[in-house]
Amino acid sequence: EAGVTQFPSHSVIEKGQTVTLRCDPISGHDNLYWYRRVMGKEIKFLLHFVKESKQDESGMPNNRFLAERTGGTYSTLKVQPAELEDSGVYFCASSQGGRNNEQFFGPGTRLTVL
Amino acid sequence: GEDVEQSLFLSVREGDSSVINCTYTDSSSTYLYWYKQEPGAGLQLLTYIFSNMDMKQDQRLTVLLNKKDKHLSLRIADTQTGDSAIYFCAERPPRLGQNFVFGPGTRLSVLP
Repeated sequence: EAGVTQFPSHSVIEKGQTVTLRCDPISGHDNLYWYRRVMGKEIKFLLHFVKESKQDESGMPNNRFLAERTGGTYSTLKVQPAELEDSGVYFCASSQGGRNNEQFFGPGTRLTVL
Repeated sequence: GEDVEQSLFLSVREGDSSVINCTYTDSSSTYLYWYKQEPGAGLQLLTYIFSNMDMKQDQRLTVLLNKKDKHLSLRIADTQTGDSAIYFCAERPPRLGQNFVFGPGTRLSVLP
């Protein structure tokens, strides 16, 4: 069974440019999460989808970040325009739901904004 | 405090035991977790402990939970070079629903 995949693995862009990150969850997982780890600090929650709906987007830092999950399958996270402080590793996770609701993480996308 | 706290670095010699400590924030967190991130890989759930337990052992891993002090530790016996990774402590407070609060990660270096 394929795990959570993310694309690209690395992205280097200039300040002011736009970048779109993609996450493909494990097939059949309704829950999809985005997290990011900035500058070697703690991993922070960004948002949570249940199918195509945003269940919780309280962690989104500002309106330069837009997440979508059309059709309830893969998700994209767009940063527009990117700023220097957006550099970090963006993780996606998915889960099936249930009492323990284990989240399976992707390898992350390392974003560098110059 | 409001943050999950961990020491950032730990170095041990191969064959020794490693102990990674964590202080979490919410005493009502039902589960506490340890995740491992190897270089270039995603986060892998290593183990978790239910909050009504004091200890959980799984092969070389021992998790100790002190609920009173909100202290969690992960002990790795007979540490191997393959254990070199970043270890994240995480909790999932009921107030946040499904969402995790992670610590900053402890980078474990295993020296030959």
